[in-house]
Amino acid sequence: DIQLTQSPSFLSASVGDRVTITCRASQGISSYLAWYQQKPGKAPKLLIYAASTLQSGVPSRFSGSGSGTEFTLTISSLQPEDFATYYCQQLNSYPPTFGQGTRLEIK
Amino acid sequence: QVQLQESGPGLVKPSGTLSLTCAVSGGSISSSNWWSWVRQPPGKGLEWIGEIYHSGSTNYNPSLKSRVTISVDKSKNQFSLKLSSVTAADTAVYYCARDFHSSGRRFDPWGQGTLVTVSS
Repeated sequence: DIQLTQSPSFLSASVGDRVTITCRASQGISSYLAWYQQKPGKAPKLLIYAASTLQSGVPSRFSGSGSGTEFTLTISSLQPEDFATYYCQQLNSYPPTFGQGTRLEIK
Repeated sequence: QVQLQESGPGLVKPSGTLSLTCAVSGGSISSSNWWSWVRQPPGKGLEWIGEIYHSGSTNYNPSLKSRVTISVDKSKNQFSLKLSSVTAADTAVYYCARDFHSSGRRFDPWGQGTLVTVSS
């Protein structure tokens, strides 16, 4: 299985901050990477797919980049509703796997 | 707009079989999509279980393959998950999701999830 390692696992930030989350794959996955946001008690919500394509309806402050083995999710200016856990997912090969998650909390 | 809703028993006895159904509304299960199951143990990360196409073709996570069966009922526009020989380690929130295989693969939307507890 392809392992995905997210860093950091925990991030404390303030409203208005710019934050970046990194996802590293144990082998190359081209651009077959998606990012999800999950709030407590809720299902994951798709933010980004194909590494950098913004899902319809997702605010433009979210952006993704990368290819191969290193990917980033950037939130340009944190809003109160952005405090959640973020997961990356690789869909290059079976089985699809997820990173361990990055918990983003209010400083 | 496609919506998914999981249903099934919230409590399963150890060594029993977990059975869940995902009802698809707002679209046809026979569209050109796959349909997946994902689970999340309490306080932990996400694990893909498997997927099915409306033709009945399936792919399973090798870590669960010996215990998993996913099936589709086109007449009811739903698909189902069976996980046999369950233990406490199978306690999790189980999600179903539409699994796009084209124009950039991704899971969207997801059902709200259903908690299944394995306990006697």
